[in-house]
Amino acid sequence: GDSVTQMEGPVTLSEEAFLTINCTYTATGYPSLFWYVQYPGEGLQLLLKATKADDKGSNKGFEATYRKETTSFHLEKGSVQVSDSAVYFCALRHNTNAGKSTFGDGTTLTVKP
Amino acid sequence: EAGVVQSPRYKIIEKKQPVAFWCNPISGHNTLYWYLQNLGQGPELLIRYENEEAVDDSQLPKDRFSAERLKGVDSTLKIQPAELGDSAVYLCASSLIAGGAGELFFGEGSRLTVL
Repeated sequence: GDSVTQMEGPVTLSEEAFLTINCTYTATGYPSLFWYVQYPGEGLQLLLKATKADDKGSNKGFEATYRKETTSFHLEKGSVQVSDSAVYFCALRHNTNAGKSTFGDGTTLTVKP
Repeated sequence: EAGVVQSPRYKIIEKKQPVAFWCNPISGHNTLYWYLQNLGQGPELLIRYENEEAVDDSQLPKDRFSAERLKGVDSTLKIQPAELGDSAVYLCASSLIAGGAGELFFGEGSRLTVL
């Protein structure tokens, strides 16, 4: 079956540091890939997505590139802020199989001033 | 535009008691999902609706869990009787597109504590 493996957390960084959160997946076919973010006290919300190989999703300074050859979708940001402190979930969703989604276990990021 | 609304946000019950969670999806979203999120884990699908039809309930523990989506809009998830292991966050999500690139829109979740 499908699976998503995320870099284990928690991750603690100083403000303006570079961020990478690794995500690899196992799936048949060519799913769409997503990063969702959950800020404290809020629901999950879409951060960015990519729908095919070599696509780059970007939003709020975050980027991730769909790498089919390495089955990866690593999240990066060049300079994190305190407001980026949240839990980040990598997910995949099939175009077939009734759009079934599979989520990673989440990575908690804390950014200190 | 209103997002996905869930209630209650928090619920504490004793084991063997019943509990129900309610979800109102974004207007126009025909696809509705209930997810279970245990502490430190990602969401796991319990059931998916297309309009009022449950099209994927393979992960729903049917001996104690039930769900309905009358009229294809809001939905209720029920647990009866609750067990200690049911303590978790129950997430509702909706989407405009049933598959592929369509993103999921989540509610804030209902946190259940079973004592």
